[in-house]
Amino acid sequence: GAGVSQTPSNKVTEKGKYVELRCDPISGHTALYWYRQSLGQGPEFLIYFQGTGAADDSGLPNDRFFAVRPEGSVSTLKIQRTERGDSAVYLCASSLDGDGSYNEQFFGPGTRLTVL
Amino acid sequence: AQSVTQLGSHVSVSEGALVLLRCNYSSSVPPYLFWYVQYPNQGLQLLLKYTSAATLVKGINGFEAEFKKSETSFHLTKPSAHMSDAAEYFCAVKGNNDMRFGAGTRLTVKP
Repeated sequence: GAGVSQTPSNKVTEKGKYVELRCDPISGHTALYWYRQSLGQGPEFLIYFQGTGAADDSGLPNDRFFAVRPEGSVSTLKIQRTERGDSAVYLCASSLDGDGSYNEQFFGPGTRLTVL
Repeated sequence: AQSVTQLGSHVSVSEGALVLLRCNYSSSVPPYLFWYVQYPNQGLQLLLKYTSAATLVKGINGFEAEFKKSETSFHLTKPSAHMSDAAEYFCAVKGNNDMRFGAGTRLTVKP
């Protein structure tokens, strides 16, 4: 597709369950980012991939959160033992390059995660 | 570290009136600044970006922003609001590996 896509668009789970959120970046974009947006807040950085490697995971809140990008394209954000506080919209973005450049980040529509 | 602060979580204007959304930045290096718009249930869309080429930046949908180093500001303006401008607006500054966003300003346009 032409833009960044994310699946599912909505995910409802129970406290303690495991969830996976998927991001398909724009073809050819080497940089991929995950953000979390809580209600009434701006997006907060979670992790940045340059190619297959996580170049910066300083935004991950704790070790329950993990992300992969094994082939340098699609990425999966994984959350173990979900908590109610994990409820938020998870946004994915991609750009041509990262590393301090000012290339625009293109955002997907997000996955709304609700933990009951 | 780079950061931005948006002044005013809600702004309401009448259709046809001036839109002014405020953003101040903090950065120890020359900043790259952005304004994004978010419509309900949609992703963020870039309105405009400042990359030091010119202090007055024109974006899409008639929006523009002026970089003022002396005031550490990057306010977003539009001369005449349209109903379709109602949305959430985010100011952001490029960090080392991420985009750092303000808390957002919700713009309401009254008929």
